[in-house]
Amino acid sequence: GAVVSQHPSWVICKSGTSVKIECRSLDFQATTMFWYRQFPKQSLMLMATSNEGSKATYEQGVEKDKFLINHASLTLSTLTVTSAHPEDSSFYICSARGGESQETQYFGPGTRLLVL
Amino acid sequence: GESVGLHLPTLSVQEGDNSIINCAYSNSASDYFIWYKQESGKGPQFIIDIRSNMDKRQGQRVTVLLNKTVKHLSLQIAATQPGDSAVYFCAETGGQGGKLIFGQGTELSVKP
Repeated sequence: GAVVSQHPSWVICKSGTSVKIECRSLDFQATTMFWYRQFPKQSLMLMATSNEGSKATYEQGVEKDKFLINHASLTLSTLTVTSAHPEDSSFYICSARGGESQETQYFGPGTRLLVL
Repeated sequence: GESVGLHLPTLSVQEGDNSIINCAYSNSASDYFIWYKQESGKGPQFIIDIRSNMDKRQGQRVTVLLNKTVKHLSLQIAATQPGDSAVYFCAETGGQGGKLIFGQGTELSVKP
């Protein structure tokens, strides 16, 4: 149980384009989903908290117009990196909370984004 | 606050030995702690958790110890195997909408 998937697993795009990443909880309903960003050899940095049916709460320093988050259902949240630039290249990971444990976050496999 | 490290501490152990990975957490109000394992190119994988009303919890080959007095958490891995090689993160939560605050991580390398 508690499986979270992400799609795509990796993406290469040109500078200026937008990229959408999907996060799905496969076997439980996720009341809350989280989006993280991770640079090589570093810890996870929380970008935003997403509750189903409401606006996401962004962490300080994260541009909400740059990183659009939609949590339209209890099993799907999307992160759209708008007008991507090379500095947006990173490993993006989502997590979902729900099911039997309302505290434990279960993580997706991550999405590697490379912006050329 | 959230941890952003410039480099990861590393721990190198011989296969079959026990490993101890340490973590100092930041918020004395945190009441739930989790250890995650992250292999290269993958998302973090839940290993074991512990609540603040406990000081020890055991799983399969893993034990988590919590010392609230000094805000210290440790993960013990018994009979470490090559498949245990990964980066291990501790995470704490308590209030603030249940956000996890991650430690900087420790890279465990198991020598065969």
